[in-house]
Amino acid sequence: GAVVSQHPSRVICKSGTSVKIECRSLDFQATTMFWYRQFPKKSLMLMATSNEGSKATYEQGVEKDKFLINHASLTLSTLTVTSAHPEDSSFYICSVSGRAYNEQFFGPGTRLTVL
Amino acid sequence: KQEVTQIPAALSVPEGENLVLNCSFTDSAIYNLQWFRQDPGKGLTSLLLIQSSQREQTSGRLNASLDKSSGRSTLYIAASQPGDSATYLCAPYNNNDMRFGAGTRLTVKP
Repeated sequence: GAVVSQHPSRVICKSGTSVKIECRSLDFQATTMFWYRQFPKKSLMLMATSNEGSKATYEQGVEKDKFLINHASLTLSTLTVTSAHPEDSSFYICSVSGRAYNEQFFGPGTRLTVL
Repeated sequence: KQEVTQIPAALSVPEGENLVLNCSFTDSAIYNLQWFRQDPGKGLTSLLLIQSSQREQTSGRLNASLDKSSGRSTLYIAASQPGDSATYLCAPYNNNDMRFGAGTRLTVKP
C-alpha cells in the first residue's frame, strides 16, 4: 500500500491564528485525497474530497472558507484551518487513493489543539 | 448517503475469549469493506479488507466476513489478548467514498 505522511503530527496554536497541515503521499500518485476529522471518542467524519488540480468538494456542514484545501500535486495536499478556535481542536487525518479508486491509504493524523 | 452502525459500542472481555464485532451498513452497493484498529490518540491501522466479491478474509487471529446483500460484516477475534485492546472501526467503500462506523471499543483484561 501507499505510504502517507502528515506534518506536523501535533500542533498547539492560539485562537485566531491559522494552521497548515500537510499530507504527503510518499510513493504513490494520489489522484484523490481526503480529509477527515475525529473528535474525542467519536468516529472519523469526512470533511472534503479533493482531486489533483481541482477544487475540493466539501461535505455538508463543513465551511470551505474556514478549512482551505489545496491539492496542487499528485503527492501533496494541504489543509489550512483559518482563524482557528478552540472548537476546531480535533484529530485531522488525511488519506489518498489512486486511479483504481478501490482503496484508501491513511496518514498518521495531526492533533490540533487551539488554546 | 451510507450510514454505518457498529454493535456493541464497547466490549470488555477476559483474556483468551473469542469475540465478534458487528457492523451494518445501509447501502449494499460497495466495492469493499475495511476493518481498522485505532489505539487511543493514534491513527488508523488497516486490519482486513474484503472485496465485494469475497465472503471473508483471514489474517492470523482475525477473520472478517461480509454479507453484502444484507449490509453486514463481522470481525471475529480468536483467543483475545490484552494487546488487542483498541477501538475497531469498519468502513464500507463505494465510488471513492468511505464512511466510518462509530467503532467498538474493546478492552481485553489480563
